[in-house]
Amino acid sequence: ETGVTQTPRHLVMGMTNKKSLKCEQHLGHNAMYWYKQSAKKPLELMFVYSLEERVENNSVPSRFSPECPNSSHLFLHLHTLQPEDSALYLCASSPDQRGNIQYFGAGTRLSVL
Amino acid sequence: DQQVKQNSPSLSVQEGRISILNCDYTNSMFDYFLWYKKYPAEGPTFLISISSIKDKNEDGRFTVFLNKSAKHLSLHIVPSQPGDSAVYFCAAAMGGGGADGLTFGKGTHLIIQP
Repeated sequence: ETGVTQTPRHLVMGMTNKKSLKCEQHLGHNAMYWYKQSAKKPLELMFVYSLEERVENNSVPSRFSPECPNSSHLFLHLHTLQPEDSALYLCASSPDQRGNIQYFGAGTRLSVL
Repeated sequence: DQQVKQNSPSLSVQEGRISILNCDYTNSMFDYFLWYKKYPAEGPTFLISISSIKDKNEDGRFTVFLNKSAKHLSLHIVPSQPGDSAVYFCAAAMGGGGADGLTFGKGTHLIIQP
């Protein structure tokens, strides 16, 4: 148990659906991250939040919309996704924005049909 | 273009022997390196790290070596145990990580054979 919880663990959605991924950390950290892991590719950083403020958007398409209402919660809102968006989405947190050691959740396995 | 490369997708080692996982990087701005371990259906868990001011860091059975001139690091596990079977990711950070996140390699699947 890493202290970072992601729900749901699995999600299947159509291209016209709207869904949200949720991440919650119980570590008292101030920075949170979304990563994407596609098949046979390394983890790719999507978004970084520090003290609820977005500090990095790594050229992610607008069909992915993050939200950080407080330092313990992070959401990834999904709408009109494409089949190539099917991947494992991982949330991580670190004590602060300069934190090198990040703690990961188990991920949400997303399939877009 | 991949900045962190793990060229061996898989590695098979006999139980009790030494496992050596390799990682190469291209960005000389990286100054902090980490190894993560991942079991199926779980997220990556932090294993060990090393700052660029050091060339070796040891934690129990795990030792990470850094060769800055060669832009190469390796993870040694000795002795290897069945529970070490997992995917190992090398990751790098620059200037305190944070806003740039971590840059990961594709991972090496380590299989410990009894």
